[in-house]
Amino acid sequence: DAMVIQNPRYQVTQFGKPVTLSCSQTLNHNVMYWYQQKSSQAPKLLFHYYDKDFNNEADTPDNFQSRRPNTSFCFLDIRSPGLGDAAMYLCATSRDGYQPQHFGDGTRLSIL
Amino acid sequence: RKEVEQDPGPFNVPEGATVAFNCTYSNSASQSFFWYRQDCRKEPKLLMSVYSSGNEDGRFTAQLNRASQYISLLIRDSKLSDSATYLCVVSLMDTGRRALTFGSGTRLQVQP
Repeated sequence: DAMVIQNPRYQVTQFGKPVTLSCSQTLNHNVMYWYQQKSSQAPKLLFHYYDKDFNNEADTPDNFQSRRPNTSFCFLDIRSPGLGDAAMYLCATSRDGYQPQHFGDGTRLSIL
Repeated sequence: RKEVEQDPGPFNVPEGATVAFNCTYSNSASQSFFWYRQDCRKEPKLLMSVYSSGNEDGRFTAQLNRASQYISLLIRDSKLSDSATYLCVVSLMDTGRRALTFGSGTRLQVQP
């Protein structure tokens, strides 16, 4: 059974139109992460939550926001998607941030 | 210098071959080390953790050299199904940043 679930698997949006990607987990892990991965590149950490504490990476554009309303759910909001934001977005969880991360299947975002 | 560096490959090897990947990391305070496997257009999946004493899981052997700050992965008796990108991942316990740093991956192609 999937333990980290991302919805949708594929998302198409228009240039500049806000989009929200969702992630849920059944592992009860404290830490949830959002990564952006482009073709042939490593996953790039955007931000993570340790419980309710939000940690933004220094180079994450302001266009990207996140919400974690409870332990199980975490959302990635892209306020005004640009063509350069087309990528795979991966959600991951970790028990404490030092243990291995468990990834969801990812959401592939396309921008028209 | 990148925090985690890997030879991008590709490594093209015949079935049954033994292949080794190396990875170097820049921060000597790094604490946890992992190898992940990522298939094309899929999410990364944990292959194995890397312990100081070295560890083996079937055909896979991982080793850590803290003095030289590198991690290795050895795959024996390569199978076609081993074809994937192998990501070296490092965890750094500093200032409470509970995040992993990914290398950009080494691509392996096992040929019949």
